[in-house]
Amino acid sequence: ILNVEQSPQSLHVQEGDSTNFTCSFPSSNFYALHWYRWETAKSPEALFVMTLNGDEKKKGRISATLNTKEGYSYLYIKGSQPEDSATYLCALIYNQGGKLIFGQGTELSVKP
Amino acid sequence: EPEVTQTPSHQVTQMGQEVILRCVPISNHLYFYWYRQILGQKVEFLVSFYNNEISEKSEIFDDQFSVERPDGSNFTLKIRSTKLEDSAMYFCASSSRGNSYNEQFFGPGTRLTVL
Repeated sequence: ILNVEQSPQSLHVQEGDSTNFTCSFPSSNFYALHWYRWETAKSPEALFVMTLNGDEKKKGRISATLNTKEGYSYLYIKGSQPEDSATYLCALIYNQGGKLIFGQGTELSVKP
Repeated sequence: EPEVTQTPSHQVTQMGQEVILRCVPISNHLYFYWYRQILGQKVEFLVSFYNNEISEKSEIFDDQFSVERPDGSNFTLKIRSTKLEDSAMYFCASSSRGNSYNEQFFGPGTRLTVL
């Protein structure tokens, strides 16, 4: 059974703090890694699709890196804002199909 | 911006009853998925669907579950005889391609409560 783990489970930071979370996955089973941002009562929204070892992607203040050899991805948020409060999910794809295997998510709360 | 919609947002049903959860994927997408999240657990894959047939299904997706694209726009998940353990948030997703490189667009979910 493929297992995707995220840490920490939850994070409480002050506005302006920078933060990062980890997603770990079996390095032997990798096609792609997806990061999603999920606000309460809204649809999960795709942030990044990462496919190559060493990939670095950026969207505004959010960036992500990927290490497929050791099986982890980091998500960074620079200068957190209250609107960044959400659950951040990573999901592994391990074959050519689109089946996503999710981690348990990191719940971020940013206080003004 | 196109989005995936789901109805109803919340469904309450009695154990043993049939439920149909409805989804309208993004109009030019060809690949469709159902996922669910039981409270406190990870989001888990149920089924993928392409070209009017199931591409892949999980162990959870047993004979009590079925999917259909009845009219070219809706994508439905039917649970024939609901159990207490079917209580979860059910998400529909769609993508333009079925490979690993394409993001999936998720709907807001249907919360199913089985009493």
